[in-house]
Amino acid sequence: DAKTTQPPSMDCAEGRAANLPCNHSTISGNEYVYWYRQIHSQGPQYIIHGLKNNETNEMASLIITEDRKSSTLILPHATLRDTAVYYCIVRVNSNSGYALNFGKGTSLLVTP
Amino acid sequence: EAQVTQNPRYLITVTGKKLTVTCSQNMNHEYMSWYRQDPGLGLRQIYYSMNVEVTDKGDVPEGYKVSRKEKRNFPLILESPSPNQTSLYFCASSLRIGVGPTPYEQYFGPGTRLTVT
Repeated sequence: DAKTTQPPSMDCAEGRAANLPCNHSTISGNEYVYWYRQIHSQGPQYIIHGLKNNETNEMASLIITEDRKSSTLILPHATLRDTAVYYCIVRVNSNSGYALNFGKGTSLLVTP
Repeated sequence: EAQVTQNPRYLITVTGKKLTVTCSQNMNHEYMSWYRQDPGLGLRQIYYSMNVEVTDKGDVPEGYKVSRKEKRNFPLILESPSPNQTSLYFCASSLRIGVGPTPYEQYFGPGTRLTVT
């Protein structure tokens, strides 16, 4: 699976958009980009995923660059409850264990 | 409500005393997995199961056992716990590849914080 690089921490003011970047320059054509988050020692929570096109759901938007070497998770109106560690994961869909390599993620702090 | 449950949530035990952490899901998922999370090391997979009676080792299986006799349950067994197994443990489940649109939408339990003294 391709390696990902994320900034260790970011701050965002409440009500503003939080834009979390992820670099995955070695991604291959059949690898998906997944985002999870973990709120203080709770179980990780799936947010969104994409392959080539931008995606949006009720939680967030995912923007993937045309060359697929990087992506950005956007929380459009961050709230205090969005304070969490956000993980960008690149994974091919195969029957090889389903393990998710969470890495270190980005610790997002949303401030009042 | 769709969920993964784990019990106990907190456990303090002594070296060598066998223990079992239970995991149950109510979503009829084929795939289940155990992770441990340690500071600086992130989440690491211990064991996984693709379906009933089908289990396999993850990245850090030493010192652990699992069983999958029923689809909904996937207990984690520590036959002789040691202090280096002090950790935060998560159970997860998902549909298997090829079923549903999001094969890696794994659902995680709330975690079990284990301390071995």
